[in-house]
Amino acid sequence: QVQLVESGGGVVQPGRSLRLSCAASGFTFSSHGMHWVRQPPGKGLEWVAVIWYDGSNKYYADSVKGRFTISRDNTKNTLYLQMNSLRAEDTAVYYCARWGTPKILDLWGQGTLVTVSS
Amino acid sequence: DIVLTQTPLSLAATLGQPASISCRSSQSPVHSDGNTYLSWLQQRPGQPPRLLIYKISNRFSGVPDRFSGSGAGTDFTLKISRVEAEDVGVYYCTQAAQFPWTFGQGTRVDI
Repeated sequence: QVQLVESGGGVVQPGRSLRLSCAASGFTFSSHGMHWVRQPPGKGLEWVAVIWYDGSNKYYADSVKGRFTISRDNTKNTLYLQMNSLRAEDTAVYYCARWGTPKILDLWGQGTLVTVSS
Repeated sequence: DIVLTQTPLSLAATLGQPASISCRSSQSPVHSDGNTYLSWLQQRPGQPPRLLIYKISNRFSGVPDRFSGSGAGTDFTLKISRVEAEDVGVYYCTQAAQFPWTFGQGTRVDI
């Protein structure tokens, strides 16, 4: 079935790193750009990053630029988010979402919770 | 960045009655291709967001026709013609005209 499944969340100390994964199935992953969107507990949505279908372009929110890296492996149908120098304000549920046509987030994963705390 | 401001932030709806949410954009979310990429998402309690409306007024696949979107320029509206119990949740407008893509603060709809 068509789905996205995130993994890799957990509790991490400030300043440390974590890598999130998003496994795609049921559709042609290599044909779609992919996004990460996060949601702090009890708060609204914040767009984090995007990667083109072939990895050729990437954009980041200012709040994560220089600390987070989005990447993908089309042979494994998997999207990644490498998060370095984590801060308390990075605490959130992280969702991966498919970039559909036209410029929509048409498929979302269930999310993975990242908690940055000492 | 394009800032999206939603009103109201909280809405007490009545079953079977209409409800409306407004989204005002700090600048028109028109892409260089001429299209206005303003969408609406629904997030039910404990669930990920779900796409309802795209390009202002187009219902996404499987979305009930009681949901409709309208607007132009910098003012957009999501309407629910007859609220049902399953419509409880938080609704977000979002723009994809330019990076960073941005979201409104969300409007909580309760019965």
